[in-house]
Amino acid sequence: GNSVTQMEGPVTLSEEAFLTINCTYTATGYPSLFWYVQYPGEGLQLLLKATKADDKGSNKGFEATYRKETTSFHLEKGSVQVSDSAVYFCALTSGGYQKVTFGIGTKLQVIP
Amino acid sequence: KAGVTQTPRYLIKTRGQQVTLSCSPISGHRSVSWYQQTPGQGLQFLFEYFSETQRNKGNFPGRFSGRQFSNSRSEMNVSTLELGDSALYLCASSLSVGGPNEKLFFGSGTQLSVL
Repeated sequence: GNSVTQMEGPVTLSEEAFLTINCTYTATGYPSLFWYVQYPGEGLQLLLKATKADDKGSNKGFEATYRKETTSFHLEKGSVQVSDSAVYFCALTSGGYQKVTFGIGTKLQVIP
Repeated sequence: KAGVTQTPRYLIKTRGQQVTLSCSPISGHRSVSWYQQTPGQGLQFLFEYFSETQRNKGNFPGRFSGRQFSNSRSEMNVSTLELGDSALYLCASSLSVGGPNEKLFFGSGTQLSVL
C-alpha cells in the first residue's frame, strides 16, 4: 500500500533560518504529491503540489521538487518567519479518488 | 464563498455512546471525505462519498459509518464509542472530477473526547 514518511519534530528554528523537512514515499503507480499546512485550531490547507516527476511546487516562499528516483518530496524555505509556525503534512494520492495518504506531520516552531 | 463547515466544533461523550458529526461542503462540491487525526497516528482516511455513494473506505471498524445527502452534506456516525476514538475528525470536500489536480478543502474539524 501507499505510505509517507516524514520526521515528526518538533523542529525549532530561529527567524530567517533555512528550513528543510524531509519526506519520502512509497506508492503504486504515479502518485501526485502534496504539502499541507495546519495552523493551530484550524483544518489543513494545501500549501503546494506536484503531479509528475521533476515538477516543482511552490507557494509563499516554500518549494518542493518531485524526485521519482529517490521517491522524495522535501519541503524547503530559504527564510522562515514566526508566522510559519504550524504543522506540515506531506501527502500523496494515487488513482482517481480522494483517498489521501498523509505523513505523521512535522511541527515547526519559529522563534524570534 | 463559504468554506467547509463542520459541526459541532467540540463534543464530549462517554464510552458506549454514539455520536453523529456533520459536514457541509463548499457549494458545488460533490465529494466529501473524512479523516481521523490523532497525535500518535496522524491523519487516517475514513471514507469518501460522492453523489450519495461511498466510493472509498479506509481500514476502520464497522462502528464508523457515514452517509451523504442529495445536497452533498455528509454525516459521520460512530457507535459504541471507545476511549481510543478520541480524536479530531476532519472533513474535506472537492469538486471531484478526479485526477491528479483535484484539490481538497478541509474544515476546521470536530474535536471528539470520549471519557
